[in-house]
Amino acid sequence: ILNVEQSPQSLHVQEGDSTNFTCSFPSSNFYALHWYRWETAKSPEALFVMTLNGDEKKKGRISATLNTKEGYSYLYIKGSQPEDSATYLCALEINDMRFGAGTRLTVKP
Amino acid sequence: DGGITQSPKYLFRKEGQNVTLSCEQNLNHDAMYWYRQDPGQGLRLIYYSQIVNDFQKGDIAEGYSVSREKKESFPLTVTSAQKNPTAFYLCASSIPSGRAGTQYFGPGTRLTVL
Repeated sequence: ILNVEQSPQSLHVQEGDSTNFTCSFPSSNFYALHWYRWETAKSPEALFVMTLNGDEKKKGRISATLNTKEGYSYLYIKGSQPEDSATYLCALEINDMRFGAGTRLTVKP
Repeated sequence: DGGITQSPKYLFRKEGQNVTLSCEQNLNHDAMYWYRQDPGQGLRLIYYSQIVNDFQKGDIAEGYSVSREKKESFPLTVTSAQKNPTAFYLCASSIPSGRAGTQYFGPGTRLTVL
């Protein structure tokens, strides 16, 4: 079983702090790396899909990078807001989709 | 509106009973997936289907069964052989894997075995 690891497991920050978390994976043989945001009582929603080494994607205050050679992806949130509180999942697309356990972010006002 | 629906939202089952969870999509996606989430864990793949009349086991398929008779529908049956069925179940759909396609998720079904 291919394991996708995410760290930290949980994170508590103050409003306005910038933060980042990591997704690591053992293989460079995959189709894409996906990031999802999962808010409480809602369905997971897609943030980014990245396919190439060195890919960088940005959506507002959230950005992500991909390093396929060393097997990791970073997700950055600049100036965290309480509405950013959610679990952030990364997933590796191979023949199916392999999810990490997620990083649970709590932003305190 | 296009999307994925799952029903019911909450389901209670007695031990020893089979129960079927519904998943329907109108996104015209070929691929559909079933995941299970337990507290403190990520999404674990139960079954997936890339095309009608075909499906593959995921990592935790034991005690579950699926069918894919129509493109729009991918029901999951939790059988009495599943030893610990209480969990949150998510269904998703996408374009076929290998094309960097986003998965779209339903709202989930929370199953509790009494």
